[in-house]
Amino acid sequence: RKEVEQDPGPFNVPEGATVAFNCTYSNSASQSFFWYRQDCRKEPKLLMSVYSSGNEDGRFTAQLNRASQYISLLIRDSKLSDSATYLCVVGKGQKVTFGTGTKLQVIP
Amino acid sequence: EPEVTQTPSHQVTQMGQEVILRCVPISNHLYFYWYRQILGQKVEFLVSFYNNEISEKSEIFDDQFSVERPDGSNFTLKIRSTKLEDSAMYFCASSEALQGAGGELFFGEGSRLTVL
Repeated sequence: RKEVEQDPGPFNVPEGATVAFNCTYSNSASQSFFWYRQDCRKEPKLLMSVYSSGNEDGRFTAQLNRASQYISLLIRDSKLSDSATYLCVVGKGQKVTFGTGTKLQVIP
Repeated sequence: EPEVTQTPSHQVTQMGQEVILRCVPISNHLYFYWYRQILGQKVEFLVSFYNNEISEKSEIFDDQFSVERPDGSNFTLKIRSTKLEDSAMYFCASSEALQGAGGELFFGEGSRLTVL
C-alpha cells in the first residue's frame, strides 16, 4: 500500500461546482496532515492544515478520519483560479510524505 | 513577504559531474529540507536538517548526496557524481516549527537539474 494515496484525476468541473478529493495514508502513527496546492511547474504551497476536528477556510473544508486513515478536501463554489494539483501531505516527525496529487480543472 | 530563494533556477550538467544547489531559507526558520520532483511524478522527501545536522533522510539520499549549512544563511545540496536519473526539480523548503507541531513548509521556486 502506498504511503499516501490519491486519485490522480483529472477532475473537470464547471465553475460554481462543489468538488471533493480524498486521500488515504498507510502509517497509523502519522502526526500531521496538510493539503498543499501546486500549480503547473511551480512549487507546492500550503492550502490548509487538517485537524482531527475538521476545519474550514472560506470555500475550503478539510476533514481527517484517523480511524480510517483518510483525509478529505471539499471545495465549494469552484473558481477558475482553483485549477491546480492538490497534494495530500502526511507527516511524522520531520519526514513529510506527499501524495501524487489530484488534478483539478475548473471549466468556464 | 519573506521567501525561500534558490539558485540556480536551471542547471544542465554532464553525467558524472558534481552539482551544488543553493538555497537561502527564511531567516528565522529552524528546519530545512530538500525535496525533489521528477517531471510528472510526486514530490519526494530527500532530507531534513536541524541544529546543523541531518535529522531525517530518505532512501533516495544515498552517499552521492550531502547537505551543508556553511554559514548562517545558505543551505546547500551537493550531488557528487550525477546520474541521468537525478534529473528533476529540486525544491528547498524551510519551516519555523516541526512538521508534527503543524509547522508550514515554505518552498523555494526550485532548481531544475538536467543531467545529460
